[in-house]
Amino acid sequence: DADVTQTPRNRITKTGKRIMLECSQTKGHDRMYWYRQDPGLGLRLIYYSFDVKDINKGEISDGYSVSRQAQAKFSLSLESAIPNQTALYFCATSAGSTDTQYFGPGTRLTVL
Amino acid sequence: GQNIDQPTEMTATEGAIVQINCTYQTSGFNGLFWYQQHAGEAPTFLSYNVLDGLEEKGRFSSFLSRSKGYSYLLLKELQMKDSASYLCATGTASKLTFGTGTRLQVTL
Repeated sequence: DADVTQTPRNRITKTGKRIMLECSQTKGHDRMYWYRQDPGLGLRLIYYSFDVKDINKGEISDGYSVSRQAQAKFSLSLESAIPNQTALYFCATSAGSTDTQYFGPGTRLTVL
Repeated sequence: GQNIDQPTEMTATEGAIVQINCTYQTSGFNGLFWYQQHAGEAPTFLSYNVLDGLEEKGRFSSFLSRSKGYSYLLLKELQMKDSASYLCATGTASKLTFGTGTRLQVTL
């Protein structure tokens, strides 16, 4: 079984809809991250969390919110989706600041 | 903040050696990571350098010069399956910043 899972893997939605992307991990890591990836722009950090009570904004948090429901679960919400949020979204986990980040398989989101 | 530069694309021949460069400017440094990402898939960890010098791991090696803000990833005995994007990443103790990636095409 995969250590970091994301659901859904693909999603097509319409402008203005609320969307939640979910991430679960079995690695026992405290740190979890949400990134989006766009062609030519690389991976950009949306939000990160060092534990259940610690949530931090990344470089592109506008239009997004997150919830750390448990050590193993970190969800990303788009309150009102817009077309420029169409991207590939990755969740990642790590044990510490100098530790490798392990990525989930990604969610391909299309906003029409 | 962080600023990372790496070439956009490279092409190399199967069996050859290729070097992918990465330069960075950072307000805090906590190590330099290299990741491999095949199209449509998740990035996977390749190497981590925190001290100057060369780290070798099988066909892949990574070099770091902190004084020059420079790293490279060296891939030897290239195989077709090495066709992928290679992401350089660095950052502070809090979070990483990724470069835009170098897309490597291995040809026959």
